[in-house]
Formats: sequence, structure tokens, C-alpha cells
Amino acid sequence: AQKVTQAQTEISVVEKEDVTLDCVYETRDTTYYLFWYKQPPSGELVFLIRRNSFDEQNEISGRYSWNFQKSTSSFNFTITASQVVDSAVYFCALSGLSGNTPLVFGKGTRLSVIA
Amino acid sequence: NAGVMQNPRHLVRRRGQEARLRCSPMKGHSHVYWYRQLPEEGLKFMVYLQKENIIDESGMPKERFSAEFPKEGPSILRIQQVVRGDSAAYFCASSPYSANYNSPLHFGNGTRLTVT
Repeated sequence: AQKVTQAQTEISVVEKEDVTLDCVYETRDTTYYLFWYKQPPSGELVFLIRRNSFDEQNEISGRYSWNFQKSTSSFNFTITASQVVDSAVYFCALSGLSGNTPLVFGKGTRLSVIA
Repeated sequence: NAGVMQNPRHLVRRRGQEARLRCSPMKGHSHVYWYRQLPEEGLKFMVYLQKENIIDESGMPKERFSAEFPKEGPSILRIQQVVRGDSAAYFCASSPYSANYNSPLHFGNGTRLTVT
């Protein structure tokens, strides 16, 4: 069975602070994909990143960075110098290559950035 | 290039009524997925459809729920005889690739169903 755990339900930070959102996953697949999505207060889901299980290089995109550690089954997301517009619910998700398993989401972390 | 379009954005139904949620995938996408988000929960997979075919409905409740994606027109998620527990946000996503859940899914803005 596939499972995604986002242990942090809610996080509040002051603007310009760095913040890391944790994601731990479980899967028996040797090939799988990990995703992060953002859900702002308006409700839509915005795709942020996809990473396959063979690529453990960290990725940086502007103020966003992702740390994939296969040894600890974690795919953490860091926002540097947070801004109020970063306030949203962030979902980590997992999809296995075998069996065409659908995307499994964590419960999300609600991030509030205070000015 | 329009994204995934869902309507209505908000839907209010009384217990026992039917709810019909519509989803038009992105242009060129022939694969549609429906997810349900209960309050303070993550998204749960419901069903995966291609044109005129249900590929995976393992997440659909056994009764009252049905989905279709006809040759022409949008995908429809239908909930008969709604109950309060059906109140949730229903998201539709689409992808261009066949039977590949690993494609980044493009989600619509969701339909928020409230059952009174």
C-alpha cells in the first residue's frame, strides 16, 4: 500500500523566515514519482514539482527547493524568505509506476505567512 | 489555452436530491480523474476515465455515485440521493498521456458541494 504522511498540520511563520514542509512516504514500488501541489485560499490546485525515484538530486526553483532523501523516504519542501502570498495548503503526493496506481495525497500542511 | 474547467463552482443540494458535477479537460487531454477532498483532509482518488471508458473506479463508493466521460462533451460525476456526508470539494484533473498516473495532473478549480 502507498501512503504519504505530512506530520505538520499547520505552520505559522513571519514573513522572510525560511520554512520547511515535511513529507514522508511509503511504497513497495522501486520506481515511483513524488509531487508537491499548492492549494491557495482560492481553492485551486497548483502543480509545483514532480520527481522520480531515480533522481535524488535536490532541486531549486527560485525561493523553492526540494530535498529528496530515498534513505529516509522523505521529500521535503523548503520555502526561503517566505512571503504572504505563500500562504496556502501544500500537499505532497506519491504515484507508483507499477499497477497504474493513482496519485495518493498526504493530508496537507497549512502554511500561514504573517506580515 | 484554457485549463481544466469545472462547473458549477459551488453547488447546494438538499438531502435526497441529485448532484451533477461537470469537468471539461484541457484541450488535447483525453484522460480524466476525479478526486474528493473532505474538509481538512487530503484528496482521495475516486475514478479514472478515458473517453467512453472507465479505467479505474476503485475509489468510488459502491452506491449512489457514478461517472462518465462520453465521446462528446464533458465528464460528469453524478451523485444520487445526496447525504450530508457527501459535502466536499470535488476536483477533476486531466492528463494527455495514456494510463500514466505519473503525469503531472492539471487540476480544475473544483466544485464545492454542500448538502443541507
